[in-house]
Amino acid sequence: EAGVVQSPRYKIIEKKQPVAFWCNPISGHNTLYWYRQNLGQGPELLIRYENEEAVDDSQLPKDRFSAERLKGVDSTLKIQPAELGDSAVYLCASSSSHWGASTDTQYFGPGTRLTVL
Amino acid sequence: AQSVAQPEDQVNVAEGNPLTVKCTYSVSGNPYLFWYVQYPNRGLQFLLKYITGDNLVKGSYGFEAEFNKSQTSFHLKKPSALVSDSALYFCAVRDRTDKLIFGTGTRLQVFP
Repeated sequence: EAGVVQSPRYKIIEKKQPVAFWCNPISGHNTLYWYRQNLGQGPELLIRYENEEAVDDSQLPKDRFSAERLKGVDSTLKIQPAELGDSAVYLCASSSSHWGASTDTQYFGPGTRLTVL
Repeated sequence: AQSVAQPEDQVNVAEGNPLTVKCTYSVSGNPYLFWYVQYPNRGLQFLLKYITGDNLVKGSYGFEAEFNKSQTSFHLKKPSALVSDSALYFCAVRDRTDKLIFGTGTRLQVFP
């Protein structure tokens, strides 16, 4: 069974430029998460989808970040414009969970390491 | 609010010796606890989880963790460390909205 797929693995951009990350979850997993991991820290949730609905985006900086999950499978996370402080690893995870009643495991992709110059 | 603490930034152990990576938690209600491992330039790999039941949980690669409710701890253990176990280990707790709250991580270094 294929794991969570993310691309690109690495991205270097200049500040004020846009950037997008793509995630393909494990087949059959209806819940998808985007986390951000700053250097030396644990991941922090940005947004959580159940199917195509964003059920928790309270930690997503909505002035510059956006996400979508069309058709409830693949997802894209976008930053526009990027700032120096956005340099981090962006991790996608998926699980076969449902709102408020989950003990299922979240499986993570390899992440996209973003460097903003 | 739910939280976990990993009190050690780094743990050093000789190959073949037992290892322990510490984690304490603070939750309201029943805790759902997880351990993940992260190798350089890789995502997080799931090791094991505690939901309910037996306090000793066995996971991947020979790792196990002991849930201790009275001490609010969920320490990761392995009887005999391997050099290949050297990595960054994260403890996490799931909150009521299914969000994982991670600790700051503990770097395990196993010396030959």
